[in-house]
Amino acid sequence: DVKVTQSSRYLVKRTGEKVFLECVQDMDHENMFWYRQDPGLGLRLIYFSYDVKMKEKGDIPEGYSVSREKKERFSLILESASTNQTSMYLCASNTGQFSGNTIYFGEGSWLTVV
Amino acid sequence: GENVEQHPSTLSVQEGDSAVIKCTYSDSASNYFPWYKQELGKGPQLIIDIRSNVGEKKDQRIAVTLNKTAKHFSLHITETQPEDSAVYFCAASTLNYGGSQGNLIFGKGTKLSVKP
Repeated sequence: DVKVTQSSRYLVKRTGEKVFLECVQDMDHENMFWYRQDPGLGLRLIYFSYDVKMKEKGDIPEGYSVSREKKERFSLILESASTNQTSMYLCASNTGQFSGNTIYFGEGSWLTVV
Repeated sequence: GENVEQHPSTLSVQEGDSAVIKCTYSDSASNYFPWYKQELGKGPQLIIDIRSNVGEKKDQRIAVTLNKTAKHFSLHITETQPEDSAVYFCAASTLNYGGSQGNLIFGKGTKLSVKP
């Protein structure tokens, strides 16, 4: 089975802290994604990556950056956390042959910024 | 860009009844429409998808229909069970064979409650 693992399920951080959310997938997928999920707003794409060291902005990239140094690992970085970044963050991956292949999600990381 | 509208936002049915969730999309180039189920405390999981060369697809108690002319697609769950209770998301994207990637645009979700 495909597994997308988000190392931190629940985090509480202070305003202004630098926050790293880590994601690892074990299926050699080319594409990796970070989404943010908020009640009533659905899933919104923050950043995605088609290849190592490659990144593209999604719909809501402001306040976030990403890093993809290895194919299996995609990190989301909040340079200076703010309370409006309190949310559930979902990492996902899929194969890059063509779009439309199943996207596999991790279990989510609940971030609270106080 | 693509915009996906999903209705209703909440849906409550009695066990054994049918449930229908509807989505509309704006980009006529979209040709791939997956549905995801998210159980409490878990990430979304694909339950069924449909491509634009097909009008309907069934998998046991779930089915999806697509009307490309009207740009809407629906999820149908028959004989609902308490374990169907979850949040359901529709999505739309373009399939580009051998070319560029089309990102999934998600609806805002429907919280389905099945009462025993």
